[in-house]
Amino acid sequence: ETGVTQSPTHLIKTRGQQVTLRCSSQSGHNTVSWYQQALGQGPQFIFQYYREEENGRGNFPPRFSGLQFPNYSSELNVNALELDDSALYLCASSRGGGGGHEQYFGPGTRLTVT
Amino acid sequence: AQKVTQAQTEISVVEKEDVTLDCVYETRDTTYYLFWYKQPPSGELVFLIRRNSFDEQNEISGRYSWNFQKSTSSFNFTITASQVVDSAVYFCALRGDYSGAGSYQLTFGKGTKLSVIP
Repeated sequence: ETGVTQSPTHLIKTRGQQVTLRCSSQSGHNTVSWYQQALGQGPQFIFQYYREEENGRGNFPPRFSGLQFPNYSSELNVNALELDDSALYLCASSRGGGGGHEQYFGPGTRLTVT
Repeated sequence: AQKVTQAQTEISVVEKEDVTLDCVYETRDTTYYLFWYKQPPSGELVFLIRRNSFDEQNEISGRYSWNFQKSTSSFNFTITASQVVDSAVYFCALRGDYSGAGSYQLTFGKGTKLSVIP
């Protein structure tokens, strides 16, 4: 196990609702990245937080937002849920934001939007 | 833009056979990093290896080995004497150097599902 935890494990929401997913990073890691993985696809980068600031964002609309806290844990918020938001959401932590650092992933949150 | 292609969608092998998973990448960065991850049915991505673009040495770790060839932009992964526990989806990923927006993100391929039959 990596030491990265995510909650909840599973979630069912209705279209138009809002959802918050949580991630606790591995001890000693100050960077958290979020990914969306649709069924049968590779993970897609949403954004990254380094020392409580967003320092990189993928091709996702503004209704996907996040936070990082002083203890380096993080939240992913999604507003106005759409059916296509149904996916596995993965959080990864690393020692830094730079290219060479390995990212260690949590078990994911399975979000279903009906 | 960065791109990772894993042309093999699914592979089935009989236990103890060797299997190679292919990965081809595209990037304009002169410095970059390549990764392999394993995703068992439980869903958690497990880090296997990182390779820097300036280090073309191949690597062996137990039954796993990786062949990095910059000339062909490939980073292939071989499992020797496969076991049932190797059954999973394997992802190859790429990350650019320390410059510009998007340099921190991992760009993943679509994955190769490996089934090892007893």
